[in-house]
Amino acid sequence: DTAVSQTPKYLVTQMGNDKSIKCEQNLGHDTMYWYKQDSKKFLKIMFSYNNKELIINETVPNRFSPKSPDKAHLNLHINSLELGDSAVYFCASSQIATSNTIYFGEGSWLTVV
Amino acid sequence: AQKITQTQPGMFVQEKEAVTLDCTYDTSDPSYGLFWYKQPSSGEMIFLIYQGSYDQQNATEGRYSLNFQKARKSANLVISASQLGDSAMYFCAMREGWGTSYGKLTFGQGTILTVHP
Repeated sequence: DTAVSQTPKYLVTQMGNDKSIKCEQNLGHDTMYWYKQDSKKFLKIMFSYNNKELIINETVPNRFSPKSPDKAHLNLHINSLELGDSAVYFCASSQIATSNTIYFGEGSWLTVV
Repeated sequence: AQKITQTQPGMFVQEKEAVTLDCTYDTSDPSYGLFWYKQPSSGEMIFLIYQGSYDQQNATEGRYSLNFQKARKSANLVISASQLGDSAMYFCAMREGWGTSYGKLTFGQGTILTVHP
């Protein structure tokens, strides 16, 4: 079983559309994250949730809205998609008290055309 | 200032040889953690190894070891007996602080490793 799973893996959509990426972890971790990897492969944190509570919110346009229905799930909804949103989005999870292993999902490739 | 610096955009190594990937970091926090991840061409991020700032011993995981030099603020990854499957992008990352930002990772620019047969 995949520890951190994301769907969809590939997403091609038009500018202006709204899309969601889902993430689930089966590791029993209490904290989940969204990271964005840009075209130059640079990775940056976007959001973090601990036990369904938002704890990290980096400077991200408010078109991006994370939602955590429970501590095993963290979804990312993006409104009014722009060309610059094209990137790979990674979900990750950890146990915040230790955070010596932070596991990533396989990534979701978003292309906005 | 860059918090994590990987100065080698690309590295080449012969199969079965050892290779060191450099990483330097910058923090004033006494408590931090250093991570290495592998990203193969298929794109997933694979956790390799972790070193805590208070750990006395260098971390090792199979063929991976972390050469932690605290005074120099370096955390180099050493891969022994390179295999063709080690060809990938490698990222160094750092976690700082306590509390709610505990799991936030700051990444370096990455190093592309190519293993030649």
